[in-house]
Amino acid sequence: EAQVTQNPRYLITVTGKKLTVTCSQNMNHEYMSWYRQDPGLGLRQIYYSMNVEVTDKGDVPEGYKVSRKEKRNFPLILESPSPNQTSLYFCASSPPWRVHEQYFGPGTRLTVT
Amino acid sequence: GENVEQHPSTLSVQEGDSAVIKCTYSDSASNYFPWYKQELGKRPQLIIDIRSNVGEKKDQRIAVTLNKTAKHFSLHITETQPEDSAVYFCAARVQEGSQGNLIFGKGTKLSVKP
Repeated sequence: EAQVTQNPRYLITVTGKKLTVTCSQNMNHEYMSWYRQDPGLGLRQIYYSMNVEVTDKGDVPEGYKVSRKEKRNFPLILESPSPNQTSLYFCASSPPWRVHEQYFGPGTRLTVT
Repeated sequence: GENVEQHPSTLSVQEGDSAVIKCTYSDSASNYFPWYKQELGKRPQLIIDIRSNVGEKKDQRIAVTLNKTAKHFSLHITETQPEDSAVYFCAARVQEGSQGNLIFGKGTKLSVKP
């Protein structure tokens, strides 16, 4: 089954404790992206990747890191989480040349206390 | 950079009525305009899209229209049903490099009352 998976789905952590949210897709998509969703602000892009070893900042990259060492995985790293990073996070991927057809993962609800 | 504005932020209609959601974009180079539906507690899913060389596209009860000159596009849902209740996001694809990027509007919460 073609899908985008994220882990964990829910996470409660404390300020400053490094964490990683994994994202994996089995559709051989080149393009992958991370978004955060906050009430009234819609989906805001954090980072995206056009292909392996190619990443770029989105609209709200501060406080986040990503890596793309292999095509299927695109982890999101929070080196020192803060309460303003409490949010719902979505990973997405799309076929080459069809960025508008993004397949979203199930979401990760992160709470930083 | 590209900016996508979406209105209204909330919309309530009676079952069977039509619903219209409007978006404007700023970058005339944008060339694809998808719409995503997000049901409560679920992930966004693509429901329809339109490219910049097409003025209108229909798929059963939903349609999208695009006015390139005015840089706005709209989602039309006819004969609304309770299962249409969701948050709808418009987006614009900005051509950057070889593939482009997707900029989303802030979303419209549609409520269809039975």
